[in-house]
Amino acid sequence: QKEVEQNSGPLSVPEGAIASLNCTYSDRGSQSFFWYRQYSGKSPELIMFIYSNGDKEDGRFTAQLNKASQYVSLLIRDSQPSDSATYLCAVSDDKIIFGKGTRLHILP
Amino acid sequence: DAGVIQSPRHEVTEMGQEVTLRCKPISGHDYLFWYRQTMMRGLELLIYFNNNVPIDDSGMPEDRFSAKMPNASFSTLKIQPSEPRDSAVYFCASSPGEFGTEAFFGQGTRLTVV
Repeated sequence: QKEVEQNSGPLSVPEGAIASLNCTYSDRGSQSFFWYRQYSGKSPELIMFIYSNGDKEDGRFTAQLNKASQYVSLLIRDSQPSDSATYLCAVSDDKIIFGKGTRLHILP
Repeated sequence: DAGVIQSPRHEVTEMGQEVTLRCKPISGHDYLFWYRQTMMRGLELLIYFNNNVPIDDSGMPEDRFSAKMPNASFSTLKIQPSEPRDSAVYFCASSPGEFGTEAFFGQGTRLTVV
């Protein structure tokens, strides 16, 4: 059974600080990795995707992938109250499997 | 494109009744996914289709659940008979044909079985 694990949180971070979200996965054959954001009562929306080991930056967001450790992370710099949401890690080979998500709360 | 369209947005039904959820994927997307989301279990993949063909239905919880995709622009998820533990938000998502590309989600159907 392929699994994606995340700390459920809540993770509380002061406004302006860096939020760090982590995810591990069980299937070494996974080749694509995604971070989705989901606001309460809304559907998930893609923030970042990463395929290769290392870092990928997009604005205030940085995704990090370490395939040897089967570990994916998301860093959010200069956290804003609007970043408060649940962040879902997803892993894909032939199908897209999601973790249960980490609730992030940015403290004004 | 209007994105993935799901109907109804909300459904309240009595235990034992048949429930049909509908989904229209983004035009040109070859993959269609059905997910169920609950607080306890998170976002679970129920079944997915590639070019209208069911590829993996191992996530379908019981024989009471069935899904069809008669053409590239329409899919249904049916629960018969429904039970209170089926209460959840059901999402449909579609993805382009390339391997490992992102899934685009519909707005979801909130199902309540009483």
